[in-house]
Amino acid sequence: QKEVEQNSGPLSVPEGAIASLNCTYSDRVSQSFFWYRQYSGKSPELIMSIYSNGDKEDGRFTAQLNKASQYVSLLIRDSQPSDSATYLCAVTGGFKTIFGAGTRLFVKA
Amino acid sequence: GAVVSQHPSWVICKSGTSVKIECRSLDFQATTMFWYRQFPKQSLMLMATSNEGSKATYEQGVEKDKFLINHASLTLSTLTVTSAHPEDSSFYICSARVAGQSYNEQFFGPGTRLTVL
Repeated sequence: QKEVEQNSGPLSVPEGAIASLNCTYSDRVSQSFFWYRQYSGKSPELIMSIYSNGDKEDGRFTAQLNKASQYVSLLIRDSQPSDSATYLCAVTGGFKTIFGAGTRLFVKA
Repeated sequence: GAVVSQHPSWVICKSGTSVKIECRSLDFQATTMFWYRQFPKQSLMLMATSNEGSKATYEQGVEKDKFLINHASLTLSTLTVTSAHPEDSSFYICSARVAGQSYNEQFFGPGTRLTVL
């Protein structure tokens, strides 16, 4: 069974710190990797996508992919209380996308 | 771009009635749409994959006769919860992939909160 694993958290960081969210996946042929943010009571919102090894930066967000280790991470710099949400890792191999259960992030003011 | 809408955003119905939820891609064509269900404080659960012009593919354990899916056009998919019961109360979310795009990004609708009394 193809799996995407995330630490459920909660991960608590102070305002202004770097939040580091991690995700591992089991399917070696996975091709596309995504991070979604989901606020309580809302639907997921795509915040980052990454397709090749290395880092991809977008504003305060950096996604990191290591296909050899089957590992993808999301760094949030200068964390803000508004970043408090559940972050879902999603991995696509072939046609199907598998979502992790999500990591809850709390940013303390 | 890549906006997905859902209607209604919330619905309350009596046990035994049927409820239809619409999912529309507003500014792109979607050959594939997905329907998810999420219970409070739980993760997304994929219910079915909806392909335009063909029958939906249901995940294991999801009753196809209870959750009817119709992908009538490249911009519209509907989910009908038939003979709804209180245990069907949940947050139903659709997502869509842009037709012809190889990157497999999914864009989510805002969700429909269903309460069955």
